[in-house]
Amino acid sequence: DSGVTQTPKHLITATGQRVTLRCSPRSGDLSVYWYQQSLDQGLQFLIQYYNGEERAKGNILERFSAQQFPDLHSELNLSSLELGDSALYFCASSSAWAPGGDTQYFGPGTRLTVL
Amino acid sequence: KNQVEQSPQSLIILEGKNCTLQCNYTVSPFSNLRWYKQDTGRGPVSLTIMTFSENTKSNGRYTATLDADTKQSSLHITASQLSDSASYICVVRGSSYKLIFGSGTRLLVRP
Repeated sequence: DSGVTQTPKHLITATGQRVTLRCSPRSGDLSVYWYQQSLDQGLQFLIQYYNGEERAKGNILERFSAQQFPDLHSELNLSSLELGDSALYFCASSSAWAPGGDTQYFGPGTRLTVL
Repeated sequence: KNQVEQSPQSLIILEGKNCTLQCNYTVSPFSNLRWYKQDTGRGPVSLTIMTFSENTKSNGRYTATLDADTKQSSLHITASQLSDSASYICVVRGSSYKLIFGSGTRLLVRP
């Protein structure tokens, strides 16, 4: 158990819909990262927040957005969903503000299926 | 272009045997390199992290090596166990703290 929690575990929705994925970091961690992993694909870094502020941006689509709240939990919003958005979405947390500066602890993931 | 390439793509070995996974990168400048283990359907777990000055680092039966001159790293697994069946991902940290992920090596350990 990494100490990072993600909800929901599974999500099934239709094309064109909007969903919100939630992540609670490990106690004491200020950085939250979001990753997308499509079937048989590698991890794709989406975005990082540090203490409520956007810190780094990766290959995140304009239809996707994220935020980190004062209690440090984070939400990833996916809108106008397409079939290709079906994937595992991971959240990770760390204490450092610089990506890769220390160990990232990954949550169990949310499996999104778009029908 | 900053890239991380892993080989082989997949590997099948018998329980008890050793194996070595490769990671070649073109990321420059280089900050650090990390190996992750990812069980199917679960989040990755960090195995080792190596900086420019480190050549070898061990974590139990896992030993990572780094040659910063040739930009190559390897992950050696000794006396494999069924629980080693997973994907192994190499991640390189480059400039501006950008993380470059390899596509992983899928290892299957058979009894």
